Amino acid sequence: DAGVIQSPRHEVTEMGQEVTLRCKPISGHDYLFWYRQTMMRGLELLIYFNNNVPIDDSGMPEDRFSAKMPNASFSTLKIQPSEPRDSAVYFCASSRGGFVAPYEQYFGPGTRLTVT
Amino acid sequence: AQTVTQSQPEMSVQEAETVTLSCTYDTSESDYYLFWYKQPPSRQMILVIRQEAYKQQNATENRFSVNFQKAAKSFSLKISDSQLGDAAMYFCAYCGQGGSEKLVFGKGTKLTVNP
Repeated sequence: DAGVIQSPRHEVTEMGQEVTLRCKPISGHDYLFWYRQTMMRGLELLIYFNNNVPIDDSGMPEDRFSAKMPNASFSTLKIQPSEPRDSAVYFCASSRGGFVAPYEQYFGPGTRLTVT
Repeated sequence: AQTVTQSQPEMSVQEAETVTLSCTYDTSESDYYLFWYKQPPSRQMILVIRQEAYKQQNATENRFSVNFQKAAKSFSLKISDSQLGDAAMYFCAYCGQGGSEKLVFGKGTKLTVNP
């Protein structure tokens, strides 16, 4: 398996622009997570999905952030409009669910976002 | 809310020596899971070891082992025979048994391995 795939790997954009980050989870995994990593706040869970349904979005910082999972093999995290404080590394992770929880979360390589 | 604390922002160890990274957590749950993840300079997050709270035996994976003290809410990682490839950020993480798959991470410990 190719693992969790994220695109782009690097994104540089200007303040006010819309940014879309993409994630393809591992086939067969029914949980998908979006994390943000910064020096100040460390790794934070933004939102996670189970079977394409958002379960907990309490970590989404503001209404400027939105996430979708239209099908089992694709998810997006959108920031509109972007601000310099959104600069961070954004990780997507996926895992299998089941009665013996939790399964290991497999992380993608991350997207380094820079907002100028 | 659960919290995870890693009190050592940085640690260093000589190659072939042993190092222990500390982690404490706060929870009111009785069943949960604990993890150590490694993040090398490539940024890739890699699971190192996991521990189920209901298991008294400490988990071991090759050169990596944990010291799980449930009453003290402590979960330290021991790396034996340290290798240059062990240099990375190490994150301790907690996951509750409440049906949620959420991971709560500590701030991390940067490990340097000196040749």
